[in-house]
Amino acid sequence: DADVTQTPRNRITKTGKRIMLECSQTKGHDRMYWYRQDPGLGLRLIYYSFDVKDINKGEISDGYSVSRQAQAKFSLSLESAIPNQTALYFCATSKQELGSYNEQFFGPGTRLTVL
Amino acid sequence: DAKTTQPTSMDCAEGRAANLPCNHSTISGNEYVYWYRQIHSQGPQYIIHGLKNNETNEMASLIITEDRKSSTLILPHATLRDTAVYYCIVRTSGTYKYIFGTGTRLKVLA
Repeated sequence: DADVTQTPRNRITKTGKRIMLECSQTKGHDRMYWYRQDPGLGLRLIYYSFDVKDINKGEISDGYSVSRQAQAKFSLSLESAIPNQTALYFCATSKQELGSYNEQFFGPGTRLTVL
Repeated sequence: DAKTTQPTSMDCAEGRAANLPCNHSTISGNEYVYWYRQIHSQGPQYIIHGLKNNETNEMASLIITEDRKSSTLILPHATLRDTAVYYCIVRTSGTYKYIFGTGTRLKVLA
């Protein structure tokens, strides 16, 4: 079974609709992240959470919100989707840093298309 | 965080070593070099990281120059499954943040 799962894997929606992307993990990690990836580009951080009560904005948080329902669950919402939010979305997790080591474990991604 | 520069693409023959360079000339003393790869459109996968000493694990070796301004990721015996985009990332210890550039698209040829 995958350690980091994302649902849905693919979604097509229309402009103005509210969309929620969900992420669950069984790794027992405290830290969770949401990234987006546009074609041909690297990943950009949207939001991150170091524990259930700690949520922070990343580089590109405008138009997005998140909810950390439990240690294992971190949801990303697009309140009113727009076409330039069409992208591949990744959730990631990591445990509290030990020395220099901070490996992030990524989910399989959600491909979102906003028409 | 320091910026990294990587070649856009590289080819490597199957079974040969793949050497992927990365320039990080503005790296500071407390910044680590991390490498991830992304196969097709899957989630990125951690490969290796280092500060100033060369590092090796079961996947790859990381060679960091003495002045730390550049590094090379070495896949010793590339296979077709190593075809992916490889990201070199500089990260400050104690921070959460990775800055992904556009990476190097490695194609392993049969």
